[in-house]
Amino acid sequence: DTGVSQNPRHKITKRGQNVTFRCDPISEHNRLYWYRQTLGQGPEFLTYFQNEAQLEKSRLLSDRFSAERPKGSFSTLEIQRTEQGDSAMYLCASRSPHLGGTGDTNTEAFFGQGTRLTVV
Amino acid sequence: AQSVTQLDSQVPVFEEAPVELRCNYSSSVSVYLFWYVQYPNQGLQLLLKYLSGSTLVKGINGFEAEFNKSQTSFHLRKPSVHISDTAEYFCAVSDWAGNEKLTFGTGTRLTIIP
Repeated sequence: DTGVSQNPRHKITKRGQNVTFRCDPISEHNRLYWYRQTLGQGPEFLTYFQNEAQLEKSRLLSDRFSAERPKGSFSTLEIQRTEQGDSAMYLCASRSPHLGGTGDTNTEAFFGQGTRLTVV
Repeated sequence: AQSVTQLDSQVPVFEEAPVELRCNYSSSVSVYLFWYVQYPNQGLQLLLKYLSGSTLVKGINGFEAEFNKSQTSFHLRKPSVHISDTAEYFCAVSDWAGNEKLTFGTGTRLTIIP
């Protein structure tokens, strides 16, 4: 496994069109996250899956956004009726909680290279 | 809820000079702390993390950071920078329980001057 994979890397779309992005996490990771990063800002949390269940959605995720992870493996993020304000880098990350030797349950989140969306 | 403040949006440093990138956080619960690096048009790569134990954490590429609970800070340092360190650096926190989502600062752009 070569890490978290995101497709496409770049997407240019006209305002009002629908777009869909795909994220393939590291295979044994059961947690998957979507973040959005606008120019000059840090990534902002959008949503989170544990296996196929979507457990949290940010208020940033308007009704035009929907995310799925149907079999607990890859995930898709769809934006309907795109607006210019949707232009951003969309990042996917995955992680797998485990009990480390110290008892810590936190593990590293591995990020994909992102999908850069430009809405014209 | 947590928040992260990176006061310096840009830091220019001469090659082989030391650098410190500042990070302060705010949280009502105990947190984990991270520094990530992002090269142009790339995703994020973990530099180092503080979970517990020693407050001085060593990471990749010669970076280290010190957790200061009383000052709620987690500053990143490197004693001698290289051209290849030119990148955007993000400080982040996540809570101890729940979904462990990351809350990021706005980033610091480190530019190395030859």
